[in-house]
Amino acid sequence: SQTIHQWPATLVQPVGSPLSLECTVEGTSNPNLYWYRQAAGRGLQLLFYSIGIDQISSEVPQNLSASRPQDRQFILSSKKLLLSDSGFYLCAWSAQGARETQYFGPGTRLLVL
Amino acid sequence: TQLLEQSPQFLSIQEGENLTVYCNSSSVFSSLQWYRQEPGEGPVLLVTVVTGGEVKKLKRLTFQFGDARKDSSLHITAAQPGDTGLYLCAGAKAAGNKLTFGGGTRVLVKP
Repeated sequence: SQTIHQWPATLVQPVGSPLSLECTVEGTSNPNLYWYRQAAGRGLQLLFYSIGIDQISSEVPQNLSASRPQDRQFILSSKKLLLSDSGFYLCAWSAQGARETQYFGPGTRLLVL
Repeated sequence: TQLLEQSPQFLSIQEGENLTVYCNSSSVFSSLQWYRQEPGEGPVLLVTVVTGGEVKKLKRLTFQFGDARKDSSLHITAAQPGDTGLYLCAGAKAAGNKLTFGGGTRVLVKP
């Protein structure tokens, strides 16, 4: 069966510090991968999605970047965090043949102080 | 502007009551998904509907996709405290890789 992991679970970082959040998927090959941000108790905003290694699309202009160095690894990064980067970050995957059905990781709560 | 509008934003009911959550759009979707999310966790997929007019049942939950594939509803019968959570709808466009999410409906079922 497929599983998706995210770490860390919680992160507190000062303004201006770098960021690296990692997401890995097991049990499937060539998945579509997604990064979302969620404001408290609200819907999800798509930040990046990837259909393959080094193939990444950015949805909104922002202070963040994404990379996919391996087939099942998706990384969200920032060189200098802003207060507005605080939030709940979710990684998701979908199969190439069923891309409308996405499965989510447990999320990372980021607090920028 | 939300492409998918969910209503209500918040719903508080007593155990045993029924509730309906709506997900509306002016756009046509090839499929629509419903997720439930608990605090501090990722959303969990409940159902996918793909055919206009389709009705799916999952125990006490009934999901309906509108005939024109622009809207959907989630009905919970005899709600229980375990139904408490954030309910999210998400739509997929044909030939797309992305989902568009609604703003969510927070449901609180009091014992």
